[in-house]
Amino acid sequence: AQSVAQPEDQVNVAEGNPLTVKCTYSVSGNPYLFWYVQYPNRGLQFLLKYITGDNLVKGSYGFEAEFNKSQTSFHLKKPSALVSDSALYFCAVRDPLDTGFQKLVFGTGTRLLVSP
Amino acid sequence: EPEVTQTPSHQVTQMGQEVILRCVPISNHLYFYWYRQILGQKVEFLVSFYNNEISEKSEIFDDQFSVERPDGSNFTLKIRSTKLEDSAMYFCASNLNSNQPQHFGDGTRLSIL
Repeated sequence: AQSVAQPEDQVNVAEGNPLTVKCTYSVSGNPYLFWYVQYPNRGLQFLLKYITGDNLVKGSYGFEAEFNKSQTSFHLKKPSALVSDSALYFCAVRDPLDTGFQKLVFGTGTRLLVSP
Repeated sequence: EPEVTQTPSHQVTQMGQEVILRCVPISNHLYFYWYRQILGQKVEFLVSFYNNEISEKSEIFDDQFSVERPDGSNFTLKIRSTKLEDSAMYFCASNLNSNQPQHFGDGTRLSIL
């Protein structure tokens, strides 16, 4: 069965500095990977996905993520953080070989706090 | 940009009562989902629905739960006899096909008293 780990409950970064939110995964096949962001009292908002192709994927609001198959990682990055990036970030995986071919499995989430 | 909409935003129900959570997926989407998030915990898959039938369900989705697409726009989650542990945020999601990201609504906060 697929699983996702987000090892950091919280990441603190100063505005203007680069940020990284870590994610590692475990699947039996080639993973479909996603990042979502959740603002207070809102649903999950899609940021970016990796299905195939270039290991570096770019998404909304200047975020990008790098797929690393050997390290089974899909870390979320942004070159210059904004205070408005402060939110809860979820990594998710879908295993197309799993009989639950549509199900997303989420990590526990990482709270990003960007200070002015 | 089209959105998934969920109603109500907050539902308070007595234990043992039936509750129906409503969702309007994005209009041209074909796959529909329910997830839940217990306070402070991760988002958990409940059920997926395609072509008017359940395509997958999790262990959480027991006989107390059911889903329905009663017309061309709504997608509902019914909990027949609510328990205290059903208290959570319930999210509806939809997508057009399996390679597209799932789009989530803002959720319904279900509080069981």
